[in-house]
Amino acid sequence: AQKITQTQPGMFVQEKEAVTLDCTYDTSDPSYGLFWYKQPSSGEMIFLIYQGSYDQQNATEGRYSLNFQKARKSANLVISASQLGDSAMYFCAMSRGGSEKLVFGKGTKLTVNP
Amino acid sequence: GAVVSQHPSWVICKSGTSVKIECRSLDFQATTMFWYRQFPKQSLMLMATSNEGSKATYEQGVEKDKFLINHASLTLSTLTVTSAHPEDSSFYICSASRPPAGYNEQFFGPGTRLTVL
Repeated sequence: AQKITQTQPGMFVQEKEAVTLDCTYDTSDPSYGLFWYKQPSSGEMIFLIYQGSYDQQNATEGRYSLNFQKARKSANLVISASQLGDSAMYFCAMSRGGSEKLVFGKGTKLTVNP
Repeated sequence: GAVVSQHPSWVICKSGTSVKIECRSLDFQATTMFWYRQFPKQSLMLMATSNEGSKATYEQGVEKDKFLINHASLTLSTLTVTSAHPEDSSFYICSASRPPAGYNEQFFGPGTRLTVL
């Protein structure tokens, strides 16, 4: 069975600094996808970044980068130059190759301080 | 972009009544839609997978007679909470996958907050 673990219930960061949100996963499938979503207080899920299990390079999307360490089964999200608008819940999720179903972690609440 | 809408955004109903939530893909055709449930300060839990023209596939522990799903067209899926009770109060979110699913990208609706009195 697939499992996503986010061990940080809450994180605080100063504006303009970088922050890393941890995510570890467990799967026996060789093909899988890893996702990060942002959920502001309004509730919508905003897609941030994707990493495929066979991707050789770490994914990057603007200020977001995914630190993919396959051997350690970790897919940490790095947000550079934090902004006040980055304050939200962040969810790590995984899909199994060939399946569109997503399994979500419990989330990390990020608070950016001015 | 790929936009998914949900209607209503919030609903309050009396115990015992049924509530229908619509999920629409506005600018693309979605062969598959997903329904999630999220309790306060908790993660999203997949309830069911909805495929156009076929019966929905429910996750283990989800009552199919309680949560009726209809995927009538490539742009519309509905979730009906039948005989709602206070424990059904939750945030319901749908998502739609847009073919070709290069990496199973899903687009989420804004969610519907259901409160059952």
